This record gives sequence, structure tokens and C-alpha cells, in this order.
Amino acid sequence: NAGVTQTPKFQVLKTGQSMTLQCAQDMNHNSMYWYRQDPGMGLRLIYYSASEGTTDKGEVPNGYNVSRLNKREFSLRLESAAPSQTSVYFCASSGGPSTNEKLFFGSGTQLSVL
Amino acid sequence: SQKIEQNSEALNIQEGKTATLTCNYTNYSPAYLQWYRQDPGRGPVFLLLIRENEKEKRKERLKVTFDTTLKQSLFHITASQPADSATYLCALGFQKLVFGTGTRLLVSP
Repeated sequence: NAGVTQTPKFQVLKTGQSMTLQCAQDMNHNSMYWYRQDPGMGLRLIYYSASEGTTDKGEVPNGYNVSRLNKREFSLRLESAAPSQTSVYFCASSGGPSTNEKLFFGSGTQLSVL
Repeated sequence: SQKIEQNSEALNIQEGKTATLTCNYTNYSPAYLQWYRQDPGRGPVFLLLIRENEKEKRKERLKVTFDTTLKQSLFHITASQPADSATYLCALGFQKLVFGTGTRLLVSP
């Protein structure tokens, strides 16, 4: 049981490049999330998807887009990367029958934008 | 605005002692509060959830209290071990879960 899988684990981009972070969960969860974590700022919600086919903005959505491809997959896209988007990105999921409110996190993507 | 505060300074304790971490919040009326553990280079891992009508919750060596009047939660680890060294995060909300910045715990042998 893999849980939440994120790819890639590390990425270096140049300013203006685009990329997509992939996330998949195998726990049949309804909700999925993207957070970024910066020193001194804690985890901040970028976007979330309460269920397949829906997405909503979190605290820091500017510069990002998301796609809930199906129940398992939730991708985060940076269309034109900026140095301010250098961060560690975490995908998470929740909404199982007995784990409704608990978040299960992936291992993170370390992104550097030069 | 909504705010969650955790002590940003690391907490250093000796093995065997009880560690107590604090989470204070303002401008929230949360139905429940959660605690997570995060190790370096890893994603947070869920530890405990406590609801607003629960004063205290325990799981093995962990204990969480929730005082909605004081707007505070305390997280205790009894008989601490070096393996408990990590950053501990509290979180509030539903769906749009908001996290504190975490407190780093260092347990020395």
C-alpha cells in the first residue's frame, strides 16, 4: 500500500520554465491537497479538491493551476516558474471511511527556481 | 485574521522526561484540532485528533488537551525517547486545514 506518491522528488527550473508536479493516492480518498512549505512560514495550502471534478483555491494559489484528473490523481502546474516558488511541495489526501479528517502526506518535492 | 501560534524555539529535554508543546490560536472556532509529526525531509504524519467536546485524548505515550476557552491545545509526550525528536505541527480547520509553523523537539540521551 503506497499511500500518497509524488513525483518528482527534486527539480531545478529556470525562471519562466513550466512544469507539472504529479500526485497519486491509492487509498480511495475523496479529497486531495497541495501545500507548500517554506522556512518560518509553515505549510500553506495552495489548492485543494474536495472530490473528483472539483477544485478550490487555498491560501496561496497565485502562479499555480491544478487538475483533478480522476479520483486518484491531482496534479499541480507551474506555468511560468518564479524564484518565489522555490519551496518544498507536499501533496496530501483525506476522506476515507474511517479516516475522514486526517491528512496523509506524500514525501514531498523539493523545487528550486533559479 | 486566523492565526495559529507554536513556539518557534526548539524544545530540548532529556530522555525520560515529559515534553509539552503548545498550540495557541486566534479567530478560530474549530470543531477539532490535529497534531502531526514531521521528520526532516519527510511529509507530516498524523498523530492525534481531538474534538471540541473532548478535553483530553491519549494514544500510548501521547496526550493532547484542548481548551476552547483559552484557545489552546497542549501536546504531551511522556517518557520521551531520542526517537521522538522531530518537529510537531498543530492544525485546525476542515478541508482547508491550516497548520502552525511547528515546534522542533530534541530529546537527548
